[in-house]
Amino acid sequence: EVHLVESGGDLVQPGGSLRLSCAASGFIFSSHWMSWVRQAPGKGLEWVANIKEDGSEMFYVDSAKGRFTISRDNAENSLYLQMNSLRGEDTGVYFCARVESNLVWVGQLLKTYYLDSWGQGTLVTVSS
Amino acid sequence: DIQMTQSPSSVSASVGDSVTITCRASQRIPGGLAWYQQKPGKAPKLLIFGSGSLHGGVPSRFSGTESGTHFTLTISSLQPEDFVTYYCQEADNFPSRLTFGGGTRVEIK
Repeated sequence: EVHLVESGGDLVQPGGSLRLSCAASGFIFSSHWMSWVRQAPGKGLEWVANIKEDGSEMFYVDSAKGRFTISRDNAENSLYLQMNSLRGEDTGVYFCARVESNLVWVGQLLKTYYLDSWGQGTLVTVSS
Repeated sequence: DIQMTQSPSSVSASVGDSVTITCRASQRIPGGLAWYQQKPGKAPKLLIFGSGSLHGGVPSRFSGTESGTHFTLTISSLQPEDFVTYYCQEADNFPSRLTFGGGTRVEIK
C-alpha cells in the first residue's frame, strides 16, 4: 500500500525558512515524479512544485520560484521542500503527492498525468 | 496558461439525488482531466483520471465526461459520505504546471 507521510510544518516568522519532508513507502519511489500541493485555510488546492524521478528536473508555481526548492533522496525514499523567504500567503497545509500517468485514447494515444496518492499534509503557518 | 473554471462553487442536494459539477477549460486538454474528492481536514482522493476513467475502488456512482473544453463529474444517487468538496485538475503542460479548479462543495439540502 502506498504511504506518504509529511513532516516539518511549523509556525515561522515572515522571512523565515522551513524544510518539509515526505517519507514514502509501499512503492518504487524512484520510478515516480512527485509533487507538492498546498491549501491555504478555507481555500482550494494549489500546485507548488514537481520533481522528476531522478531529481534532475524541477518545476515550480510562479510564486515559489526563487524561494522554494524541491528535492528528493531516492536512497531514503524521501521528498523535500525547502522554503525560504516565507510570506503570510504561504500559510497552509502542504501535501506531498505521487504522480501517476496513464494512456488515454482521444483519437490517438496520449499520456495523462494525475496525483493518485497523497499524504495527510503538514501545516505551515507564517506569522509574526 | 490554461485557465480552469469550475462551477458551481456550491450545490445543495438530498441523499439519492444526482449532481453534476462542471469544469470549463480555456483551451482543449487532449489528456483530459482528473477529479478529486476532499473531506474536511483530509487529503484529496483521486476519483477519475483521463476525464472518464474510474480510479480503483471508487464507486460506480461517480462518472466523468468530456466534450471539447467542457468536462463534467456526475455523482448519481448521492450517499451521505458524498457531501464534501470536489476539485478538477488538468496537467496538459505537465511537468511544468498542474492546475486545479476552484472547487465545488456539495451540501445537504
